[in-house]
Amino acid sequence: DGGITQSPKYLFRKEGQNVTLSCEQNLNHDAMYWYRQDPGQGLRLIYYSQIVNDFQKGDIAEGYSVSREKKESFPLTVTSAQKNPTAFYLCASSSRGASGSGSDEQFFGPGTRLTVL
Amino acid sequence: SQQGEEDPQALSIQEGENATMNCSYKTSINNLQWYRQNSGRGLVHLILIRSNEREKHSGRLRVTLDTSKKSSSLLITASRAADTASYFCATRRGSTLGRLYFGRGTQLTVWP
Repeated sequence: DGGITQSPKYLFRKEGQNVTLSCEQNLNHDAMYWYRQDPGQGLRLIYYSQIVNDFQKGDIAEGYSVSREKKESFPLTVTSAQKNPTAFYLCASSSRGASGSGSDEQFFGPGTRLTVL
Repeated sequence: SQQGEEDPQALSIQEGENATMNCSYKTSINNLQWYRQNSGRGLVHLILIRSNEREKHSGRLRVTLDTSKKSSSLLITASRAADTASYFCATRRGSTLGRLYFGRGTQLTVWP
């Protein structure tokens, strides 16, 4: 069953703590993305990766970090430097990577809702 | 920075009516895509239209693209209550590989 999974579904964090959100895909996609969604603001790109061991900052990268050590995995760490991390986080993947071949269509995971207590 | 802007922000119609949502963007694009999001879920890709295409159909969906006006529209015909969701347009600029620019979305409510 091919797809993209995110865990956990809900996450609670105390102020000052780092937390890591998991994103895994078995679609053999080259590119992966992390978005943040706040009410009324649509999707904002945090980081993206078009190939293993490489990633680029998106529009709101401050306070976040990522790694891409495996093609299937793109974890996102929300650090204590992120001032207002409460939001819905979405991971996505697409087949179009650094080579430029493939489709731009993005497949999304079910999301992780992060709440800071 | 968001590229697309959907209009209207919210749309409420009865079952059986048609729903039209519009998207405007600012820079030249390679393609434009429409996505759907049910409340609290991930987005689902609906349709992609390339910059050299003017119209595309998929089931009850019809998408048009006017590159001279930098705008697109999504028409859902014979709406159903199950079409209730948020709809987002997303653009890929010609100069950037991979990443998409999403608008803020249109919240569509279809009443039975």
